[in-house]
Amino acid sequence: QKEVEQNSGPLSVPEGAIASLNCTYSDRGSQSFFWYRQYSGKSPELIMSIYSNGDKEDGRFTAQLNKASQYVSLLIRDSQPSDSATYLCAVGTSYDKVIFGPGTSLSVIP
Amino acid sequence: ETGVTQSPTHLIKTRGQQVTLRCSSQSGHNTVSWYQQALGQGPQFIFQYYREEENGRGNFPPRFSGLQFPNYSSELNVNALELDDSALYLCASSEGQGQSSYEQYFGPGTRLTVT
Repeated sequence: QKEVEQNSGPLSVPEGAIASLNCTYSDRGSQSFFWYRQYSGKSPELIMSIYSNGDKEDGRFTAQLNKASQYVSLLIRDSQPSDSATYLCAVGTSYDKVIFGPGTSLSVIP
Repeated sequence: ETGVTQSPTHLIKTRGQQVTLRCSSQSGHNTVSWYQQALGQGPQFIFQYYREEENGRGNFPPRFSGLQFPNYSSELNVNALELDDSALYLCASSEGQGQSSYEQYFGPGTRLTVT
């Protein structure tokens, strides 16, 4: 089992729709969770961090964490073509390493 | 506030050569982590430096080494380059010791091609 897994892409959504990106992790002791956006040819950009169970909202982005299910998700409301990118889930593990998932490619169709 | 910077942007080297990549951390950050990102994959942790000391290492051979300087800037050195070392090398800075607790901010990366 891979340490951090993300839903396989590419994911395509129409402009204005909600994009849902999912991530599961194997280390039950993980305490910190991060979502990064990476445009093609660019470096990752931090979008959200979440540390407690529940939802955390920042503008059009909502991160959801469920530690019991070892699941973290990112919702993007009112998706825009500029949201088209690869989204990386990163998990801060109990052995003090941040492990990145392989990423999910999102395409927002005008 | 100055963000994370890296140099050079691109680099082409021949197998067997050595390379040094440089990174300046974000203002106020004393921790630097280095990652390797192959095409189509997530970043893989190489190592982290906190106050000039190595503070954790991923599954990379000893020919990957690093330094951190008193101003918290850092270098990544790779000896005996192999074709598989071709990747985007990312530097990320954060505040505080430990990798998992703090938000990391990435530099623009160095694209290394080994021929």
